[in-house]
Amino acid sequence: GAGVSQSPRYKVAKRGQDVALRCDPISGHVSLFWYQQALGQGPEFLTYFQNEAQLDKSGLPSDRFFAERPEGSVSTLKIQRTQQEDSAVYLCASSLLTGTPLGETQYFGPGTRLLVL
Amino acid sequence: RKEVEQDPGPFNVPEGATVAFNCTYSNSASQSFFWYRQDCRKEPKLLMSVYSSGNEDGRFTAQLNRASQYISLLIRDSKLSDSATYLCVVSSGGSYIPTFGRGTSLIVHP
Repeated sequence: GAGVSQSPRYKVAKRGQDVALRCDPISGHVSLFWYQQALGQGPEFLTYFQNEAQLDKSGLPSDRFFAERPEGSVSTLKIQRTQQEDSAVYLCASSLLTGTPLGETQYFGPGTRLLVL
Repeated sequence: RKEVEQDPGPFNVPEGATVAFNCTYSNSASQSFFWYRQDCRKEPKLLMSVYSSGNEDGRFTAQLNRASQYISLLIRDSKLSDSATYLCVVSSGGSYIPTFGRGTSLIVHP
């Protein structure tokens, strides 16, 4: 497909369980972003990759959250010891060029809806 | 105070109405502005960028007011299919991190 894909689309986890969320960006896109979207809120920035380099992880809520993009394409967001407050939609977005101050159109994946019980 | 603020609504309007949303931002160094549309349980999609001179795309008009630090979106002749949440997005100068507002919900009814 031509768009951004994410898997799984839905994930139910028991509190304390580790989860891994996958993002396949559009082929050739340099920039990749992860966001967390709570119900009724806008997406909140988590982390940003330029190719394989994680340039900013200031939005990650705690050290239980870890993201990687080892080959500059597919990215994985891992959440260790999940808590109920981690329940949200996790969105991945990619853009063609580097994230410049002028901004670049982001293409979002459908998201992974995580529910922690 | 949040960096980007929007009235969450919902704005409930009849078909054919004109509706306008505002979005205020706190960082005067902001340089890039966008409106995204998000349908229920779907991902955000770019609606339009907002340029300093203002821009129009069919029934949609976006304006930027730097002095008062807000952007606006005007929708003319509303359609049922315009029902969605409209997200304001701002990127500050020197930062690639876009900041999203919480979104404004629009409901267009027959």
